[in-house]
Amino acid sequence: AQTVTQSQPEMSVQEAETVTLSCTYDTSESNYYLFWYKQPPSRQMILVIRQEAYKQQNATENRFSVNFQKAAKSFSLKISDSQLGDTAMYFCAFTLKTSYDKVIFGPGTSLSVIP
Amino acid sequence: DAGVIQSPRHEVTEMGQEVTLRCKPISGHDYLFWYRQTMMRGLELLIYFNNNVPIDDSGMPEDRFSAKMPNASFSTLKIQPSEPRDSAVYFCASSLGRDRYYYEQYFGPGTRLTVT
Repeated sequence: AQTVTQSQPEMSVQEAETVTLSCTYDTSESNYYLFWYKQPPSRQMILVIRQEAYKQQNATENRFSVNFQKAAKSFSLKISDSQLGDTAMYFCAFTLKTSYDKVIFGPGTSLSVIP
Repeated sequence: DAGVIQSPRHEVTEMGQEVTLRCKPISGHDYLFWYRQTMMRGLELLIYFNNNVPIDDSGMPEDRFSAKMPNASFSTLKIQPSEPRDSAVYFCASSLGRDRYYYEQYFGPGTRLTVT
């Protein structure tokens, strides 16, 4: 069975600084997708960034980038130039390409950006 | 597009009452998912539909929970009778099918259910 682990329940960062959120996953498959979702206090779940396992290049979306280490089964999220609006829960998620239907979410990391 | 629409946003009910949560997926999306979020258990998939047909309901906690999707633009999640341990935020999400682009799920704003 596939699992997703986020070992940091809470983190904080000063505004304008950089922070990295950790995620590890477990699977015996080789073809899958990884995601980071953001859930601000409004509760709305928003996709931040995605990574296809067969792509070696790390995905980047503006201030958000990932460090994908397939052999280590690690998928960390780096937020550069942190802004107050980045305060949210961040969920790492995983889905197999062959069974797209099920997306497995990690327990989440609560990030607070401090002015 | 208005995104995934859920109603009500908040629901407070007494134990034993029937609760119905509603969801309108994004037009054109053929997958619909119901999730439950609690502090203790995180985000749990309850059930999902493909082309209005339930595919996997193994996450439904017990027979008190039921879900329907009578057409492509509407789904309900019903709890009867409700219990205090059902208190949670319930999310609906929709997406395009497996052969489409990137498998992204679009979430609604959620319904916060409180059972007293």
